[in-house]
Amino acid sequence: AQTVTQSQPEMSVQEAETVTLSCTYDTSENNYYLFWYKQPPSRQMILVIRQEAYKQQNATENRFSVNFQKAAKSFSLKISDSQLGDTAMYFCAFGGGTSYGKLTFGQGTILTVHP
Amino acid sequence: DTGVSQNPRHKITKRGQNVTFRCDPISEHNRLYWYRQTLGQGPEFLTYFQNEAQLEKSRLLSDRFSAERPKGSFSTLEIQRTEQGDSAMYLCASSFMTTTDTQYFGPGTRLTVL
Repeated sequence: AQTVTQSQPEMSVQEAETVTLSCTYDTSENNYYLFWYKQPPSRQMILVIRQEAYKQQNATENRFSVNFQKAAKSFSLKISDSQLGDTAMYFCAFGGGTSYGKLTFGQGTILTVHP
Repeated sequence: DTGVSQNPRHKITKRGQNVTFRCDPISEHNRLYWYRQTLGQGPEFLTYFQNEAQLEKSRLLSDRFSAERPKGSFSTLEIQRTEQGDSAMYLCASSFMTTTDTQYFGPGTRLTVL
């Protein structure tokens, strides 16, 4: 079974600054996918970024990028030029491999962006 | 494409009552998932369907829980004899089965059992 750990329950950042959210996972699989989802207060879960484990290149989506270290089983999310609308709970999730068809989520990190 | 929709958005019920939630996936998606999320935690997988077939069920899905997807389109999740511990947000997600299988979530149904 896979496990996903987010060791930072809460983070805060000033508007326009950069912040990095940490995620580690444990798996014996070789082919899998990793995701970061954002859940704003009282709103639905939104996909932020996705990384395929077989790709060495780190995924980027506008101000969001990941640092994927497969050997270390680490998958951090960097948010550049933070905006007030980035305030949300962020979840790291593992999918694929023999658990194909379901996601295993971390506990989440509450990110607050201050003006 | 209107996204994944869930109804009702909120449900308050008394302990021992039965409740049913509905999920309508994105129209071309053939996979549908149910998760449960308690306050301040990440979602936990309950079950998923590929078309009409229920392919996997979590141990969290006790015999009081049942899910169906009769025509491979919308799905229902029923909880019988609700307990206070069932109070949670119930999330539905859908995906189009590809190698990445990215899941898109609905707004959830918040269940409160009194």
